[in-house]
Amino acid sequence: GDSVTQMEGPVTLSEEAFLTINCTYTATGYPSLFWYVQYPGEGLQLLLKATKADDKGSNKGFEATYRKETTSFHLEKGSVQVSDSAVYFCALRSGGSYIPTFGRGTSLIVHP
Amino acid sequence: EADIYQTPRYLVIGTGKKITLECSQTMGHDKMYWYQQDPGMELHLIHYSYGVNSTEKGDLSSESTVSRIRTEHFPLTLESARPSHTSQYLCASSEGVNQPQHFGDGTRLSIL
Repeated sequence: GDSVTQMEGPVTLSEEAFLTINCTYTATGYPSLFWYVQYPGEGLQLLLKATKADDKGSNKGFEATYRKETTSFHLEKGSVQVSDSAVYFCALRSGGSYIPTFGRGTSLIVHP
Repeated sequence: EADIYQTPRYLVIGTGKKITLECSQTMGHDKMYWYQQDPGMELHLIHYSYGVNSTEKGDLSSESTVSRIRTEHFPLTLESARPSHTSQYLCASSEGVNQPQHFGDGTRLSIL
């Protein structure tokens, strides 16, 4: 079956540091890939997505590239802010399925 | 801006009570989902629906039930609450296969 593996957290960074959160997947066919963010006390919200190989999703300074050859979708940001402190979830949807597969989530803590 | 609404946001209640968690969406989405989110952040799918009069159990065994009488409404019911039901419950909806999910802000449930 499908699976998503994220790096374990928490990831602790100082403000303006570079962020990478690793995500690799196993899926049949050509899945769509997503990153969601969950701020404290809220539900998940879509951060970015990519639907085919070599697509780059981007939003709010975050980027992730769909790498079919390495089955990866790593999340990056060049300069994090305290307001980026949240939990980040990598997810996929295999073709034809309405049920997504989520990673376990990675907590990011950014210090001033 | 949330187009999917969950009530109540917080509920503290005694063992044995019947509880209904409400979820409504204004986007006309056919697909709706209920997740249980544990303190370690991981999401567990407990119920989903492909449309009116369609409901299915998810991966995580749950003592709850759901109904889908109207497209916009997907309530979850616990007939007799127990302390093991203490958790956060997230409702979500989506459109097509490659589309992301939209999440509500969740209900944090505590059973005493």
